[in-house]
Amino acid sequence: QKEVEQDPGPLSVPEGAIVSLNCTYSNSAFQYFMWYRQYSRKGPELLMYTYSSGNKEDGRFTAQVDKSSKYISLFIRDSQPSDSATYLCAQREAQKLVFGQGTRLTINP
Amino acid sequence: DTGVSQDPRHKITKRGQNVTFRCDPISEHNRLYWYRQTLGQGPEFLTYFQNEAQLEKSRLLSDRFSAERPKGSFSTLEIQRTEQGDSAMYLCASSPGQDNEKLFFGSGTQLSVL
Repeated sequence: QKEVEQDPGPLSVPEGAIVSLNCTYSNSAFQYFMWYRQYSRKGPELLMYTYSSGNKEDGRFTAQVDKSSKYISLFIRDSQPSDSATYLCAQREAQKLVFGQGTRLTINP
Repeated sequence: DTGVSQDPRHKITKRGQNVTFRCDPISEHNRLYWYRQTLGQGPEFLTYFQNEAQLEKSRLLSDRFSAERPKGSFSTLEIQRTEQGDSAMYLCASSPGQDNEKLFFGSGTQLSVL
């Protein structure tokens, strides 16, 4: 079992829709979680990070952590074609990040 | 451009050859990381440096791989006797050190071993 699991998709939604991206993790010892966005042929860029449980909001993006179910989520409101990318969840384990497989998202105009 | 810079962007080599990649981190970032990413997968940790000291290496980093950061600034990753399984995107990232969850990635070096 991978430490961080993510549905690879692909996921295709119409412009303006609310997008929900999800990951599960197995190691409860570490409580920092991140979401990265990766465009084709580019490196990942940090979108949001959260600590422990709860919600964190930044513009159209909301990150959520549920410790009881070991579930992390990213919600995108009013999705735009420019949001089309691969979204990677990650868990910080000591000095390294453990990434999920990534979900490829397409927003259709 | 003050981001993380990686060179070359693409490298095609024949099996058995040696290759070397370079990474220039964001100025004054103490920590530098190497990750490897294969198609359809997330990045996997290889190694990281705090200034010039290499503090952790993944078991993915076989004896054919070596990384250096001689003066605590740029870093090189060398792969000796390349194998087809080494084909991947090699990503470098840096962070200020205090908030090391805020990794800033370069665009990577895409290695193809024929």
